[in-house]
Amino acid sequence: GQSLEQPSEVTAVEGAIVQINCTYQTSGFYGLSWYQQHDGGAPTFLSYNALDGLEETGRFSSFLSRSDSYGYLLLQELQMKDSASYFCAVRDRSNQAGTALIFGKGTTLSVSS
Amino acid sequence: DTAVSQTPKYLVTQMGNDKSIKCEQNLGHDTMYWYKQDSKKFLKIMFSYNNKELIINETVPNRFSPKSPDKAHLNLHINSLELGDSAVYFCASSQDSSNYGYTFGSGTRLTVV
Repeated sequence: GQSLEQPSEVTAVEGAIVQINCTYQTSGFYGLSWYQQHDGGAPTFLSYNALDGLEETGRFSSFLSRSDSYGYLLLQELQMKDSASYFCAVRDRSNQAGTALIFGKGTTLSVSS
Repeated sequence: DTAVSQTPKYLVTQMGNDKSIKCEQNLGHDTMYWYKQDSKKFLKIMFSYNNKELIINETVPNRFSPKSPDKAHLNLHINSLELGDSAVYFCASSQDSSNYGYTFGSGTRLTVV
């Protein structure tokens, strides 16, 4: 089976830096990805880490440590529009022939001015 | 052009009714999915199809029946709707079953009364 743990809520102010952690447990690891979802919207893909280290994409960065089964999403220079839910996800093989993304329960980020 | 489109966006229906949700993607992706997002925002995989073939069928009541007439379409039919079926249902697609970058549709908010 698989499980992912991430904080349920994080609050921060505009311009700050916030880190959302994710620990995972899977039967076979294929990489860690992050998705953003605004209220009433669809999840959108942010990043993917298959190897250890930091991947940077603009104000957002994602980190992975496979030995610790741990990753995080780092959001810099926070803006009000970053207020959303953030999900970590791993691809795992269930009892089925294929694999699909299994999502954590999400972290609600609230950015205030 | 909408990449993954699902209809309807909202669906309000009575218990016991049968309803369908349609999904189409114009990205040329091979794999499509149905996810259910409950009131606590937990995203749970329901089904996955790869090139019209069912590859994932998670523990879902058999009142839910997916159908993929071709690799660009994945529909979801639900029989004998129950109150607990109320949720947001997301269709998604990915280039193939090993890809991490899913593109989600805008969701169908189903309310069973």
